[in-house]
Amino acid sequence: AQTVTQSQPEMSVQEAETVTLSCTYDTSENNYYLFWYKQPPSRQMILVIRQEAYKQQNATENRFSVNFQKAAKSFSLKISDSQLGDTAMYFCAFMKRTAGGTSYGKLTFGQGTILTVHP
Amino acid sequence: ETGVTQTPRHLVMGMTNKKSLKCEQHLGHNAMYWYKQSAKKPLELMFVYSLEERVENNSVPSRFSPECPNSSHLFLHLHTLQPEDSALYLCASSQDMFSTDTQYFGPGTRLTVL
Repeated sequence: AQTVTQSQPEMSVQEAETVTLSCTYDTSENNYYLFWYKQPPSRQMILVIRQEAYKQQNATENRFSVNFQKAAKSFSLKISDSQLGDTAMYFCAFMKRTAGGTSYGKLTFGQGTILTVHP
Repeated sequence: ETGVTQTPRHLVMGMTNKKSLKCEQHLGHNAMYWYKQSAKKPLELMFVYSLEERVENNSVPSRFSPECPNSSHLFLHLHTLQPEDSALYLCASSQDMFSTDTQYFGPGTRLTVL
């Protein structure tokens, strides 16, 4: 079974600064996907960024980037130039990829990190 | 935010009540999911449906009964719940279960069991 751990229950950052959210995971699988989801207060959870484990290059999406360390089983999220709208709970998630390329759609989530961006 | 809708947004029920949660997706997806989000716990996958067929039941108590009449609608029927079942129940959909397509989440139903 896979587990995902987010060791920071809460984080805060000043607007325009950079913050890094930590995530570690435990798996015996070699092929998998990792995700960061964002859940703003009273709003829907949305995908922020995803990473395929077989790709060495770290994924980036505008101000969001990841530091994927496969050997260390670490998958941190860096938010640059933080904005007030980035205030949300952030979830790290894992999805196994089978040998046939299927995934069964099963996401395993971490406990979440509440990020507050201060003006 | 209108891709996946859930009703009601808030629900308070007694332990002897029967109620249903509804989820509707307007994205043309073939897979739908129920998750439970409790305070200070990771999201837990409860059920997965693919093309209206249940393909995953994650050891969920029988007091939760899912129903998927078509690929756009998903229900969660609740009966004789316990206070520990109070949580945010999230519905999600994706294009296909057998892929790593992004899952799109609804806003959730905040359930309180008295």
